Amino acid sequence: GENVEQHPSTLSVQEGDSAVIKCTYSDSASNYFPWYKQELGKRPQLIIDIRSNVGEKKDQRIAVTLNKTAKHFSLHITETQPEDSAVYFCAAALIAGNTPLVFGKGTRLSVIA
Amino acid sequence: GAVVSQHPSRVICKSGTSVKIECRSLDFQATTMFWYRQFPKQSLMLMATSNEGSKATYEQGVEKDKFLINHASLTLSTLTVTSAHPEDSSFYICSAISGTSPPAIDTQYFGPGTRLTVL
Repeated sequence: GENVEQHPSTLSVQEGDSAVIKCTYSDSASNYFPWYKQELGKRPQLIIDIRSNVGEKKDQRIAVTLNKTAKHFSLHITETQPEDSAVYFCAAALIAGNTPLVFGKGTRLSVIA
Repeated sequence: GAVVSQHPSRVICKSGTSVKIECRSLDFQATTMFWYRQFPKQSLMLMATSNEGSKATYEQGVEKDKFLINHASLTLSTLTVTSAHPEDSSFYICSAISGTSPPAIDTQYFGPGTRLTVL
């Protein structure tokens, strides 16, 4: 089955700096790669996703890149703000929506004002 | 749109008792629902896939007789933790996929989670 590795497990950045979180996956058949932000005790919130036919996607301060050959994808947050502090999870699925998500272990991001 | 609710949000029970958690899609029909479990400071782990009108598919290592899942309608799936023990204490989160658009049929919509504490 699919296995998703996520690094780093914790990340501290100064406000205004960029943050990068990286994930690798094992199943080359996976085609859907979402990123979730989870605050303590809350549900995961989808912040951006990418499908295998796209190499990069951007939404304001957030971008995701995908390298299917290397089987890795990354989350980039620019101009970080204290409210970006949370746990971020990457995930992979065979088909968007139709198949269960396999999550990475998460990255605890702290943005220091 | 695309709201998923869970009830209760928090439950405390005694060891040996059973607890039922409901997951509802409020404004769409969910053909598939997933149940995840999240231990403190850990990731979400899939427990089972639930399709309306059929038996749930459990992940390896998840006891189907202990975690009973019923998806009796297109808007409701229930997870019953039977004979709960302290090691079952966790955050249980469901997600739902719509069978028709809107909302988007290729997105999992997560419930707010249920925190179970077994004493």
